[in-house]
Amino acid sequence: DAGVIQSPRHEVTEMGQEVTLRCKPISGHNSLFWYRQTMMRGLELLIYFNNNVPIDDSGMPEDRFSAKMPNASFSTLKIQPSEPRDSAVYFCASSSPLGLAVFRQFFGPGTRLTVL
Amino acid sequence: GQQLNQSPQSMFIQEGEDVSMNCTSSSIFNTWLWYKQDPGEGPVLLIALYKAGELTSNGRLTAQFGITRKDSFLNISASIPSDVGIYFCAGPGDFGNEKLTFGTGTRLTIIP
Repeated sequence: DAGVIQSPRHEVTEMGQEVTLRCKPISGHNSLFWYRQTMMRGLELLIYFNNNVPIDDSGMPEDRFSAKMPNASFSTLKIQPSEPRDSAVYFCASSSPLGLAVFRQFFGPGTRLTVL
Repeated sequence: GQQLNQSPQSMFIQEGEDVSMNCTSSSIFNTWLWYKQDPGEGPVLLIALYKAGELTSNGRLTAQFGITRKDSFLNISASIPSDVGIYFCAGPGDFGNEKLTFGTGTRLTIIP
């Protein structure tokens, strides 16, 4: 079975540009999570969706960040405008709705974002 | 907020040695998860624990859910080069939802 798919794997952009990160969760999983990982702050949850609905976006750093989940198999995280401090690895994860498995999150390979 | 403290922060061992690391919480957790992250990759789930006192193995890995429900341990026996990476503990906090709190990680390095 395919795992969580993220694209692109690497993104280099200039300050002020719009960046869109994409994620396809594991088929049948109904929760999707966006994380950011940096050396200084570790792994931080930005936002998560359940059944395509945003449940908790308290980790979204500011209005420049937005996330959507138009259907069960696709989500985007957009940064507009991007800033150098947004440079990080962004992970998408998904989990199954079945019992205790809801806490078992499966991560994608990540998108390494560099904002110059 | 909830915090998960992992120790040690880093370990330098020789191939073949056993490894022990632990994770402590400031509050009670009802589930403990252990992940491993290889360089340039996303965290991979190793073991999930659901009951206090539970001991679960996955190959050379063994994890335990502490009786107090505020800690968990991960042991790796007879380490091999591919064990190198960062190990994270995680657990659902008292958020009342599916959010996980992640520990700060233990970086394992194997000395040739």
